[in-house]
Amino acid sequence: QKEVEQNSGPLSVPEGAIASLNCTYSDRGSQSFFWYRQYSGKSPELIMSIYSNGDKEDGRFTAQLNKASQYVSLLIRDSQPSDSATYLCAVPPYGQNFVFGPGTRLSVLP
Amino acid sequence: EPEVTQTPSHQVTQMGQEVILRCVPISNHLYFYWYRQILGQKVEFLVSFYNNEISEKSEIFDDQFSVERPDGSNFTLKIRSTKLEDSAMYFCASSEGAGVSYGYTFGSGTRLTVV
Repeated sequence: QKEVEQNSGPLSVPEGAIASLNCTYSDRGSQSFFWYRQYSGKSPELIMSIYSNGDKEDGRFTAQLNKASQYVSLLIRDSQPSDSATYLCAVPPYGQNFVFGPGTRLSVLP
Repeated sequence: EPEVTQTPSHQVTQMGQEVILRCVPISNHLYFYWYRQILGQKVEFLVSFYNNEISEKSEIFDDQFSVERPDGSNFTLKIRSTKLEDSAMYFCASSEGAGVSYGYTFGSGTRLTVV
């Protein structure tokens, strides 16, 4: 059974702070990793993907991958109230379908 | 921006009835998926579809479920003999290539309520 684990939260940060979201996965063969954002009652929306060890930056978002530790994280700089959502880590094991983590609920306080 | 379209947005059905959830994937996408999310729980994979056949399915996707691409644009999920526990958001997704290299684009979902 391929597992993706996340802290369910809620993670509360003040506006302007850095939010750090973490994800661990069980399948050592996984090659690509995705972060999705899901607002309440809405569908998941792709934020970032990462394939190589290290950091990948896109605007206020930075994804970090450490395959040896089977760990992927998402940093959100200058957090805004509009960033308040559930963040889903998705890891495809070898094959096509994604396995989603349970999500971390982020609350950015004005 | 291209989007995945799902209809209806909300479906209420009586237990034991059959429902068909409809999806129009992005036109140049080749891979199609159905996921579901029971309220308060995680997004769960149901089935993937490529080249007019199921390429992978989860243990949730039993004989109660079926998928079809009846024409060049629609992709449907049929649920037979619905049960109370089938109540969930059902998301259709599509991708240009296999998921390991491409992110999925999700539709806005169909909220299925079985009463």
